[in-house]
Amino acid sequence: DGGITQSPKYLFRKEGQNVTLSCEQNLNHDAMYWYRQDPGQGLRLIYYSQIVNDFQKGDIAEGYSVSREKKESFPLTVTSAQKNPTAFYLCASSVPGGETQYFGPGTRLLVL
Amino acid sequence: AQSVTQLGSHVSVSEGALVLLRCNYSSSVPPYLFWYVQYPNQGLQLLLKYTTGATLVKGINGFEAEFKKSETSFHLTKPSAHMSDAAEYFCAVTEGKAAGNKLTFGGGTRVLVKP
Repeated sequence: DGGITQSPKYLFRKEGQNVTLSCEQNLNHDAMYWYRQDPGQGLRLIYYSQIVNDFQKGDIAEGYSVSREKKESFPLTVTSAQKNPTAFYLCASSVPGGETQYFGPGTRLLVL
Repeated sequence: AQSVTQLGSHVSVSEGALVLLRCNYSSSVPPYLFWYVQYPNQGLQLLLKYTTGATLVKGINGFEAEFKKSETSFHLTKPSAHMSDAAEYFCAVTEGKAAGNKLTFGGGTRVLVKP
């Protein structure tokens, strides 16, 4: 089955720790996106990548980093600089030049 | 710059009643518009989208939406609510390739269906 997978489903972060959220897709999509979801605020764009080895900051990139070494994978690292990381993180992808994004199941990040 | 406003963060409807969720947008170019649905602790599922052509768009689960350029609106409706429609609904807009196909979302509307 084609789709987008995110792991883990739940992730716990200690103070000062960097954590990495995984996003993998087997849809052969070129573009991939990371969003953060907070209650009552909708989704906000963190980073996006239109092609391998290239990515751009979204609206709330501070405290986050990404890489895009493979077409299928777009991991997100939440660094210790992100002071309020508790949120639901969603990864999405789209076909080349396509306007429709398809979403993974999400990862919930909690701070210990 | 693009933006989306969803009127009403919570909507309560009776089973069998009309569901109406309001979405207004702003965009400097002809927009592409979307409605997504999210069930608790899950990702977003595409309900329907407007790109070009017919302004009345039909989606999954009996939902439809009408693009009204003059009103900058894209309201979502379903004639008869079902218990399974209880979820959160998000309206989103993109200005297309020129904007990197980035989506801007509204704040979401949570739908409660009463038996």
